[in-house]
Amino acid sequence: DAGVTQSPTHLIKTRGQQVTLRCSPISGHKSVSWYQQVLGQGPQFIFQYYEKEERGRGNFPDRFSARQFPNYSSELNVNALLLGDSALYLCASSLAGQEYEQYFGPGTRLTVT
Amino acid sequence: GQSLEQPSEVTAVEGAIVQINCTYQTSGFYGLSWYQQHDGGAPTFLSYNALDGLEETGRFSSFLSRSDSYGYLLLQELQMKDSASYFCAVPFTGGGNKLTFGTGTQLKVEL
Repeated sequence: DAGVTQSPTHLIKTRGQQVTLRCSPISGHKSVSWYQQVLGQGPQFIFQYYEKEERGRGNFPDRFSARQFPNYSSELNVNALLLGDSALYLCASSLAGQEYEQYFGPGTRLTVT
Repeated sequence: GQSLEQPSEVTAVEGAIVQINCTYQTSGFYGLSWYQQHDGGAPTFLSYNALDGLEETGRFSSFLSRSDSYGYLLLQELQMKDSASYFCAVPFTGGGNKLTFGTGTQLKVEL
């Protein structure tokens, strides 16, 4: 079975621009979470979706938004990009009730210049 | 809030045993997970302790003491490929299921 997939792999944007990152979970996983990982730190939780509904939001500004589609894939949108948004954005999926065991995608490396 | 503290770096030689500690302060604690992340890679799940005690999975073991708010990951028969960052993480369901990750420990395995 395919693992969690993310696109694009790398992205370079300019301050003030908008970006959309995409994620496809493992087949059968209905829960998708997004994390931001800055170099040298652990992943920081951004959003969690389950059955297309937002189930959790981390301490991120409203410039960050996400959604989940009927096929359980998900998009993360970031508006008005700042230099500080440069990071690795990770998507993870899990089975319901087993959120302690999350399967991560390879991530999207976003660079904001 | 939640916080999980780990040593920033641990160095050990190939074939040795190393222990990576994690102390946490959380509310609504449900258990402690461990993840491994190689440079440039994605975190991968290693183990989960919901109850006190030791869980063994091959060369890796994980321990939890809820009364001490403490856990550790034990790696035996270290191999060069074990050089990576290791994160403890706690899931909780208050306000939405998510993982809060620790500060991370970079393990360097030397010959």
